[in-house]
This record gives sequence, C-alpha cells and structure tokens, in this order.
Amino acid sequence: AQSVAQPEDQVNVAEGNPLTVKCTYSVSGNPYLFWYVQYPNRGLQFLLKYITGDNLVKGSYGFEAEFNKSQTSFHLKKPSALVSDSALYFCAVRSRYTGFQKLVFGTGTRLLVSP
Amino acid sequence: EAGVTQSPTHLIKTRGQQATLRCSPISGHTSVYWYQQALGLGLQFLLWYDEGEERNRGNFPPRFSGRQFPNYSSELNVNALELEDSALYLCASSLVLEGQETQYFGPGTRLLVL
Repeated sequence: AQSVAQPEDQVNVAEGNPLTVKCTYSVSGNPYLFWYVQYPNRGLQFLLKYITGDNLVKGSYGFEAEFNKSQTSFHLKKPSALVSDSALYFCAVRSRYTGFQKLVFGTGTRLLVSP
Repeated sequence: EAGVTQSPTHLIKTRGQQATLRCSPISGHTSVYWYQQALGLGLQFLLWYDEGEERNRGNFPPRFSGRQFPNYSSELNVNALELEDSALYLCASSLVLEGQETQYFGPGTRLLVL
C-alpha cells in the first residue's frame, strides 16, 4: 500500500532563511511524487513533481525538492523564505505500477514564515 | 486557460438532506477526481471518473456517488447527509498521458451539515 509521512505538523522559519518541509513515502516500485500548497480557504495548487531523471526538481515560486531513493524521501526546499509562503503544504505519492491514478496524500505541514 | 471550477463555493444542509456538488475540469482533461478534506483527516480520495465511467472509489459508503457527463464535467452527490460529512470537497482534473499526469485542483466546495 502507498503511504506518505509528513513528520512535522508545523515548520516555523524567519523570512529570508532557508526552509525545508519533510516528506517520506512508501510505495511499491518507483514513485511519482508531488508537492501541493494550500492557502487559506483555497484549493490545492500544484508546486512540482518528480517523475524520473534528475533528483533535484525545480518548481513554482522558487521551490525545489530533492528525491532520495535510498531514504525514500522527497523534501521540499526553498533557499530564502517569504512571508507569503506561509500556507499548508501537502506531499503526495503515486505508484508507477498501477493503472489507477489515485494520489495518496500526507497529512500536511503548516509553514509559518515570520517577518 | 481556465482552471478547474467548482460550484457552489459553500453549501449548508441539514442532516438527512442530499447535496449536489459540481465540477468542471480544465479544457481537454478527461479525468475527474473527488477528494474530501475533513478537519483532522487530511485529504481522502473519494471517486475517479474517466471518459464518463467510474474507474475507482475510495473507502466511502454508497451514499457518496457521482457521475461524469459527456463534456467531462462531474457531479458528486451525497445522500442522507450526516454531520461528519461536513468538509471541503475538492475536485481535480487531469489528462492521462503515459501515467505521468498531474492532477490540478479546483477551489473546493465547503459543505456544512447542521
């Protein structure tokens, strides 16, 4: 069965500092991995995905994520946080070896960037 | 290009009533997914429609149902509403392409059951 763990309910960082939001996954075979962001009272916005190739994936709004197969992790990073990055972040996984396109989401990590 | 749209934005019902939620996918997308985001429970997969057919459903009772129309828009129906059905219902669409598709989400419908 597929699963995603986001071990931190909340991450606090000061504006201008680097940020990391952690994600580990469990899936049969090789994964497709996604990050989404949710602002208050809004739907999910796609940030980036890992399909294959380079382990460092660049996405929207200056975010990037590093796929680490040995550690089964896909941490989200940004070199310099903005107050406007404050939101709820979801990691999601899907196995390549299924015809079913269901995404399995983590429980979400709230990012709070202080001025 | 217009994104995924959902209506209504908010819906208030009482226990036992029925709710109908609507979703219009991104133009060209044939797959529609429904998720429930209840407080404290994260995002739970509800239903997947593709090319007008229900392809899979999550672990929800049969009173959660839906359909997909020829124009690929979709409806989610929840019958015999219960208090715990109060949640944000998110619709996503994608175009299945070699399994690498990305699901794009709408803004959601917030359902409140009193």
